[in-house]
Amino acid sequence: NAGVTQTPKFRVLKTGQSMTLLCAQDMNHEYMYWYRQDPGMGLRLIHYSVGEGTTAKGEVPDGYNVSRLKKQNFLLGLESAAPSQTSVYFCASIQGDGLAGPNEQFFGPGTRLTVL
Amino acid sequence: AQKITQTQPGMFVQEKEAVTLDCTYDTSDPSYGLFWYKQPSSGEMIFLIYQGSYDQQNATEGRYSLNFQKARKSANLVISASQLGDSAMYFCAMREAPNFGNEKLTFGTGTRLTIIP
Repeated sequence: NAGVTQTPKFRVLKTGQSMTLLCAQDMNHEYMYWYRQDPGMGLRLIHYSVGEGTTAKGEVPDGYNVSRLKKQNFLLGLESAAPSQTSVYFCASIQGDGLAGPNEQFFGPGTRLTVL
Repeated sequence: AQKITQTQPGMFVQEKEAVTLDCTYDTSDPSYGLFWYKQPSSGEMIFLIYQGSYDQQNATEGRYSLNFQKARKSANLVISASQLGDSAMYFCAMREAPNFGNEKLTFGTGTRLTIIP
């Protein structure tokens, strides 16, 4: 059981280049999330998905697109990378059964992206 | 307005001492959940403890306990008998009104805890 995995772990891009970050989970979780972490700002939600084929915007969605074609995968795309998108990106998933209780989010190891 | 406030950017604590990390929150929803995550220097996010707004007792998990003061909207993390391995970044987070639609978390800015031998 690998949990939540992210590919790649590190990436350096030039301004204007595009790339896709892949998040995969093997826990059959319904909900998946993409966050970015910047120094002094905690984690901020970019986009999320509550099921296969559905996506929604989070707190800081501009400059990013996402897709959830398969339940186990959640892709984050940068169409034209900017230096402001230099950050550490985390993917997370949760069962999302709506029940009370912890239902804590399980996080991937993160992707460190640098845009020059 | 910040929904989650962590006022201690950094803390230094002597090994084996207890430490309290502060967290205050702001919500008008009667149903919410509060989380603490640990992020060591390796970068992964580790879930520590959870407190539901309707829970009558403070949550405890081993050396971690959550000092939940609902009227003051505070959810401080207490680590007893600190260890060198506790050195890490600690994040408080809140899930508001289980919307059964997103389960989104809002994070604070974190507290960097350093344990001194």
